[in-house]
Amino acid sequence: GENVEQHPSTLSVQEGDSAVIKCTYSDSASNYFPWYKQELGKRPQLIIDIRSNVGEKKDQRIAVTLNKTAKHFSLHITETQPEDSAVYFCALPGGGSYIPTFGRGTSLIVHP
Amino acid sequence: EAGVAQSPRYKIIEKRQSVAFWCNPISGHATLYWYQQILGQGPKLLIQFQNNGVVDDSQLPKDRFSAERLKGVDSTLKIQPAKLEDSAVYLCASSLGLAGNNEQFFGPGTRLTVL
Repeated sequence: GENVEQHPSTLSVQEGDSAVIKCTYSDSASNYFPWYKQELGKRPQLIIDIRSNVGEKKDQRIAVTLNKTAKHFSLHITETQPEDSAVYFCALPGGGSYIPTFGRGTSLIVHP
Repeated sequence: EAGVAQSPRYKIIEKRQSVAFWCNPISGHATLYWYQQILGQGPKLLIQFQNNGVVDDSQLPKDRFSAERLKGVDSTLKIQPAKLEDSAVYLCASSLGLAGNNEQFFGPGTRLTVL
């Protein structure tokens, strides 16, 4: 099956700093790369995604970059705010013989 | 549009008892997923349906877990008998088509505690 590794497991930053979370994967067939945010006790929600025909996508303070050759994609959050504190998951949605697989998650803590 | 609905939201049972969870996906979504999320981990796929057919159940512990989506809409997930290690949040998700190119929408989850 698919293997996805997510780092770091915990990230602590000061308000206003940037945060970067990286996921590496092994399946070369993936062409859709989403990131989910899960606040404590709530459901995962999609915050940004990227398809393999582009290298970067931005949405206000968040961005995702994709390097298909190196098989990694990263979530970038700029000007972090306390409400960004949550667990972030990368995912490989699967397809073909691969099943949907989530990373282990990164707990982001933004200190005011 | 209405989101993915799940019930119950919380369930506490003793080991060896049975439990069932229900999910109603977003209208028109052909694909439905059941995930198990253990505290501190990412969601792990248990079973994936496309309409009323099973796409993948390779990670479903079939000796105790079962799931069905008889009419291609609602789905139920059952555990019988439950073990302590089944304590987790069970998330249902749906998408328009297969997840390879489609966003998954998650329900609020059912938090199961097995004592």
